[in-house]
Amino acid sequence: KQEVTQIPAALSVPEGENLVLNCSFTDSAIYNLQWFRQDPGKGLTSLLLIQSSQREQTSGRLNASLDKSSGRSTLYIAASQPGDSATYLCAVRPSGSARQLTFGSGTQLTVLP
Amino acid sequence: NAGVTQTPKFRVLKTGQSMTLLCAQDMNHEYMYWYRQDPGMGLRLIHYSVGEGTTAKGEVPDGYNVSRLKKQNFLLGLESAAPSQTSVYFCASSYPNEQYFGPGTRLTVT
Repeated sequence: KQEVTQIPAALSVPEGENLVLNCSFTDSAIYNLQWFRQDPGKGLTSLLLIQSSQREQTSGRLNASLDKSSGRSTLYIAASQPGDSATYLCAVRPSGSARQLTFGSGTQLTVLP
Repeated sequence: NAGVTQTPKFRVLKTGQSMTLLCAQDMNHEYMYWYRQDPGMGLRLIHYSVGEGTTAKGEVPDGYNVSRLKKQNFLLGLESAAPSQTSVYFCASSYPNEQYFGPGTRLTVT
């Protein structure tokens, strides 16, 4: 059974700092990996999706990498801002026809002004 | 283009009552999903659908039923609510690879 772990569970950084969020998964037979952002009391917003054949994806100040063989992904946030404060979730989709996602528990990020 | 919408946003039920949560998407997506989110446990898949008229069980299906009579709608039913079903429920849809989520329904069962 696929398990997804995100460490740390919470992170607090001063504004302007570059930071890395980690995601690990136990089964490397994945189709893709998706990073989401969740604001308090809100739904999930998709940030980046990396296909299993890709090594990284970038969107603005965000860069996500994938090392499928080691079961790891990282989300790099450059020049963090208070508006980046949210919970960040990673989720993996298995290889094959199934499209269900397995989620990690998330990292709660606070960026201090 | 509203994306994925969920009705209602909040609900309080007493143990044993029933209710239906409605999810609607206007993106013509084939796949739809229902998840629940509990503190410290991430999101867990309840049921999903790969197209109109189809449904399948996810990781935590017990106590829930679903129907997909129309492509744009996916209904989640609780026949006899229990306190363990207190949670935030999210609907999502996808095609082909990326999942899009609704704003969630916060359900409390007393």
